[in-house]
Amino acid sequence: DAMVIQNPRYQVTQFGKPVTLSCSQTLNHNVMYWYQQKSSQAPKLLFHYYDKDFNNEADTPDNFQSRRPNTSFCFLDIRSPGLGDAAMYLCATRLDRGVGTDTQYFGPGTRLTVL
Amino acid sequence: RKEVEQDPGPFNVPEGATVAFNCTYSNSASQSFFWYRQDCRKEPKLLMSVYSSGNEDGRFTAQLNRASQYISLLIRDSKLSDSATYLCVVNIGPGNTGKLIFGQGTTLQVKP
Repeated sequence: DAMVIQNPRYQVTQFGKPVTLSCSQTLNHNVMYWYQQKSSQAPKLLFHYYDKDFNNEADTPDNFQSRRPNTSFCFLDIRSPGLGDAAMYLCATRLDRGVGTDTQYFGPGTRLTVL
Repeated sequence: RKEVEQDPGPFNVPEGATVAFNCTYSNSASQSFFWYRQDCRKEPKLLMSVYSSGNEDGRFTAQLNRASQYISLLIRDSKLSDSATYLCVVNIGPGNTGKLIFGQGTTLQVKP
């Protein structure tokens, strides 16, 4: 059974047209992450939620926003996608219980194409 | 200097070979370490966690040298199904943020 679900798996949008990617989890994990992975590159953390607290990475463009309406769901909003935003977007979750609980579980990703 | 560095490869090995990947990290305060496996156009999947000096799981052995800031992954008796990209991942914290920094990955191709 899928534990971290991302929808859609493939998303095509037009340059400048807002797009929302979704992530849901059945693990009841308190931490959720969004990563961007471009071709042949390492995943790069955009931001994460620790419970309801939003934590943005310093180099994440303002074009990227996120919402977490409840424990299970987290959304990535790209306000005005550019050609350089074409990538795989990975959602990950983690249950923080202190030392030794830093394993992250990844969803299958959404591959975004910008035309 | 990159925070996590790996030799991108590719490593082309025959079935049954033993292969080792190396990884160095720059943040001496790094708390924990992981090897993830990523198949083409798929998500990373956890292969091994390393919290002390090393870990072993079947054909896979990870070793950590904190003094040298170096982690390795050894794969014995390679199988065709081991072909993938192996990501070295470091938890740099701070505290309970669990921030992971990924290496670029090392590509392994196991040939018949």
